[in-house]
Amino acid sequence: DARVTQTPRHKVTEMGQEVTMRCQPILGHNTVFWYRQTMMQGLELLAYFRNRAPLDDSGMPKDRFSAEMPDATLATLKIQPSEPRDSAVYFCASGLGGSQPQHFGDGTRLSIL
Amino acid sequence: DAKTTQPPSMDCAEGRAANLPCNHSTISGNEYVYWYRQIHSQGPQYIIHGLKNNETNEMASLIITEDRKSSTLILPHATLRDTAVYYCIVRSLYSGGGADGLTFGKGTHLIIQP
Repeated sequence: DARVTQTPRHKVTEMGQEVTMRCQPILGHNTVFWYRQTMMQGLELLAYFRNRAPLDDSGMPKDRFSAEMPDATLATLKIQPSEPRDSAVYFCASGLGGSQPQHFGDGTRLSIL
Repeated sequence: DAKTTQPPSMDCAEGRAANLPCNHSTISGNEYVYWYRQIHSQGPQYIIHGLKNNETNEMASLIITEDRKSSTLILPHATLRDTAVYYCIVRSLYSGGGADGLTFGKGTHLIIQP
């Protein structure tokens, strides 16, 4: 089965460091989403792309977060500088748009000390 | 997106059918109903979706009432591996303003008892 691949699976770093999370969407999928999950807030949409163009990033803290799609096979989410409150599991999902479902990766578990 | 209401938790005996309800009384005509589940430490897994007709796939069946204000996800023969949090989500087809994203509630924690 085709899968969304996320790297790294786990990341522990100190406050102030730059963090980059990567996502390889399912081949042929033209929409890519970034979500964040915490115990307090649950699953929240951060940003999404269609055909590599950013469509909405209103869920993302603009001052420190950035999301890009350098090419159709790679999406990145960067945090600079990182803060302890950014500790969460970050999920990437991809889909074909329209009514077709999104498929999720297994996430990056991020801990900022 | 319309909001959904699900019971916080449910139990079901292994081998029996698990019926998970969802209320979405404010759903609009262009909104689909999607079901996902999340097993501990994994990403959400797509199960099934539908607009107004009942749907069935290899994982589950989705029954949507005629007025579309509620639906039921049916796992026909539950196993221990079906223990997970199940999310019912309604989503519009029309893009813009984050409408393409999924809005997750708290879901139902389904526990399959041996």
